[in-house]
Amino acid sequence: AQSVAQPEDQVNVAEGNPLTVKCTYSVSGNPYLFWYVQYPNRGLQFLLKYITGDNLVKGSYGFEAEFNKSQTSFHLKKPSALVSDSALYFCAVRDHNTDKLIFGTGTRLQVFP
Amino acid sequence: EAGVAQSPRYKIIEKRQSVAFWCNPISGHATLYWYQQILGQGPKLLIQFQNNGVVDDSQLPKDRFSAERLKGVDSTLKIQPAKLEDSAVYLCASSLDRDEQYFGPGTRLTVT
Repeated sequence: AQSVAQPEDQVNVAEGNPLTVKCTYSVSGNPYLFWYVQYPNRGLQFLLKYITGDNLVKGSYGFEAEFNKSQTSFHLKKPSALVSDSALYFCAVRDHNTDKLIFGTGTRLQVFP
Repeated sequence: EAGVAQSPRYKIIEKRQSVAFWCNPISGHATLYWYQQILGQGPKLLIQFQNNGVVDDSQLPKDRFSAERLKGVDSTLKIQPAKLEDSAVYLCASSLDRDEQYFGPGTRLTVT
């Protein structure tokens, strides 16, 4: 069965510092991986995806993610955090058989001024 | 381009009552999803439609939940009767292709 794990419930970072939100995956076959962000009282917004190709994927709002096959990881990164990046971040994997997204439990990012 | 619309945004009901949620996907999106997001958890797919046909409803509690997508556009999700554990945010999403899903703002349901 396909699954993703987000080991951190919360990540705290100072504004201007680099941030990393961790995600590891367990899939059979090639993984199709996604990151979504959820702001308070709003739906999820797509950030980026990895289907194939370069291991470093660039997405919206200056975010990027690095696919690492040997470590089965797909960590979300940003070189310089903004207070407005504070939100709930979800990693997801797409099931090969049904195309449905299977989400992790989410990581709350708090960026302090 | 208008996004995915959902209503109501909030609903409070007593257990054993019924409730219905409505979703209008992005125009032209053939695939529509309903997710349940319980506080502290990631969204869980309840049902997926391709046009007006069901692709996956394996995690839909069919004894109390039902969903339809008449004419392959709007969709409604119904719960009857509601239980306390149904308290959650119900998210609707739509997609044009397999890769990117667009989510609505959700309906926050509280069952008392």
